[in-house]
Amino acid sequence: GENVEQHPSTLSVQEGDSAVIKCTYSDSASNYFPWYKQELGKGPQLIIDIRSNVGEKKDQRIAVTLNKTAKHFSLHITETQPEDSAVYFCAASRAGGGGADGLTFGKGTHLIIQP
Amino acid sequence: NAGVTQTPKFRVLKTGQSMTLLCAQDMNHEYMYWYRQDPGMGLRLIHYSVGEGTTAKGEVPDGYNVSRLKKQNFLLGLESAAPSQTSVYFCASSSTVLASGGRTYEQYFGPGTRLTVT
Repeated sequence: GENVEQHPSTLSVQEGDSAVIKCTYSDSASNYFPWYKQELGKGPQLIIDIRSNVGEKKDQRIAVTLNKTAKHFSLHITETQPEDSAVYFCAASRAGGGGADGLTFGKGTHLIIQP
Repeated sequence: NAGVTQTPKFRVLKTGQSMTLLCAQDMNHEYMYWYRQDPGMGLRLIHYSVGEGTTAKGEVPDGYNVSRLKKQNFLLGLESAAPSQTSVYFCASSSTVLASGGRTYEQYFGPGTRLTVT
């Protein structure tokens, strides 16, 4: 089955700086790569996703890049703000066709924004 | 529009007891999922359903059973609880969304159920 590795487990950055979280996956058939943000005591919430036919996607301060050959994808957050402090999860899926398999998640990155 | 709701929010069980966790969604989604979240382990898929009356095993299905008798509900059962099942359980639902670049399968998560088995 799919295996997703995520690094680092904890990331501390100064407010205003950029943060980068990296993930690798093992299943070359995976074609959908979402990123989730989880705040304390809440369920994960999708912040951005990318499909395997796209190399990069951006949404305001958040961007995701995908390298299919190397089987890795990264989350980039620019101009970090205190409200960006949370746990971030990458995930991979072979979703396609008429159905949607569940997601395989990385173990998470605790992002801490220092004031 | 409540999204995904889970009942109960907290529960303490003794080893060997049984219980059912209820997940409900009001978004008319076809797909529903149960995950467990343990410290340092991320979220792991227990079971999922791609439609009413259908279920499938995920990564960690042992010790759990599920049912999807109605499209909006997905039940997770523990027949004989064990301390290893102490965890936070999340339900999620999704539907295919056609967006630029192809279909996405955004999963919407509930608030979670914190289960402790003593």
